Amino acid sequence: GQQVMQIPQYQHVQEGEDFTTYCNSSTTLSNIQWYKQRPGGHPVFLIQLVKSGEVKKQKRLTFQFGEAKKNSSLHITATQTTDVGTYFCAGQETTDSWGKLQFGAGTQVVVTP
Amino acid sequence: DGGITQSPKYLFRKEGQNVTLSCEQNLNHDAMYWYRQDPGQGLRLIYYSQIVNDFQKGDIAEGYSVSREKKESFPLTVTSAQKNPTAFYLCASRGVNQPQHFGDGTRLSIL
Repeated sequence: GQQVMQIPQYQHVQEGEDFTTYCNSSTTLSNIQWYKQRPGGHPVFLIQLVKSGEVKKQKRLTFQFGEAKKNSSLHITATQTTDVGTYFCAGQETTDSWGKLQFGAGTQVVVTP
Repeated sequence: DGGITQSPKYLFRKEGQNVTLSCEQNLNHDAMYWYRQDPGQGLRLIYYSQIVNDFQKGDIAEGYSVSREKKESFPLTVTSAQKNPTAFYLCASRGVNQPQHFGDGTRLSIL
C-alpha cells in the first residue's frame, strides 16, 4: 500500500535560521496537504498542492510539489518560536475517491531563542 | 477546528471494557474519519465514512467499531479486543474537494 515517508523526524533550530522538511510517497499523488500540530493540539490544515511542480508561499513558509507528484517539501525561513510544533505531510492517492490521506510521521520542530 | 466536537477530552478504560468516543460535526461534511496518534508518530486511519450508513476499514481497524446513523455523527467504540488502546484519538471531517478539519481529540488511557 501507499507509504509516505517524512524526514527529518526531529529538527532543532536556532531562532532566525532556515530549515526544510521533506516528504516522499511510494506512489503518485493526486494532491499533497500539509498540516501543523502544536504541542497538545490537533492538526491544522496549512496548504494543499495539486499541480506538478507547484510552489506556494505563506509568509515565511514555502511549499513545493515535485514534478513527478511523489515528493514535497516545506521550507521555513527565519524561524520564530511560533513555528514550534510538528509538521505533517499527507498524501492522497490518485486512485482514491474517498479522500483518504496517508500521513507521514511528521517533523517535530523545536526552536531555541 | 470550529464545527467538530469530540468528547470527552480525557477518557479512562478498565480492562475488558468497551468505551465510545463521540464525534459530532455541524459543517455539513459528507466524509468523516477516525485516526489514532501515538507519541512521536503520525496519524493512522482507523475507519472512515463517506455517506450515512456506510463506512470502511482503515489501516488499523482491528479492535474498533463505528457507526454512521446520522450525517453529523460518527462515534468510535474501542472494544476490549483492542489490546493497546492508550492513544490520542482524532476525528476529522471533509467536504468535497476540501481539506480535512480535525476535532480537538480524545486522550484514552487504561486504568
